[in-house]
Amino acid sequence: NAGVTQTPKFQVLKTGQSMTLQCAQDMNHNSMYWYRQDPGMGLRLIYYSASEGTTDKGEVPNGYNVSRLNKREFSLRLESAAPSQTSVYFCASPRGVRNTEAFFGQGTRLTVV
Amino acid sequence: SQQGEEDPQALSIQEGENATMNCSYKTSINNLQWYRQNSGRGLVHLILIRSNEREKHSGRLRVTLDTSKKSSSLLITASRAADTASYFCATGAIGSGNTGKLIFGQGTTLQVKP
Repeated sequence: NAGVTQTPKFQVLKTGQSMTLQCAQDMNHNSMYWYRQDPGMGLRLIYYSASEGTTDKGEVPNGYNVSRLNKREFSLRLESAAPSQTSVYFCASPRGVRNTEAFFGQGTRLTVV
Repeated sequence: SQQGEEDPQALSIQEGENATMNCSYKTSINNLQWYRQNSGRGLVHLILIRSNEREKHSGRLRVTLDTSKKSSSLLITASRAADTASYFCATGAIGSGNTGKLIFGQGTTLQVKP
């Protein structure tokens, strides 16, 4: 039982390049989230999906797109990477409709140069 | 702005002492949760307290919730060097259809010196 799996673990992009961060969960949860973590800023919500087929903006959605491909997978896409998107990205999947416990992936450390 | 604000931002104590961290939030909530993050790792759930509860215990952890003040505290008793980590509060905000967002605070970095 892997829980939440994120790929890749590390990535370096040049400004303007695009990439997709992948996330998969095997817990049969409805909800999946993408956060970014910057020093001194805690975790900020980028996008979330409360159920298959729905996505909603979080606190910092600009510059990102998401796809809830099926119940297991939720991807985050950077269409044109900017240095301000240098961060550690976490995928999470909370349990239940009231988000009672979130399970996190190991994170993707992204550097945009 | 973020839902949860934590205080202090950093805390350094000796092994065996108690550590107290506080969290304030802004909107109505279903529950409040505390998470731990070791350096370079994902967050791990520690404990959840529901909006109709005032206090909860789990091992060396004690969480309180005051919904009138929109605040919570996490107490770690008899701290150990292995407790060194960052601690985050997260609020399950009430949203439409009871599927509110899970929003995290900025975290408290705890250092426990041997």
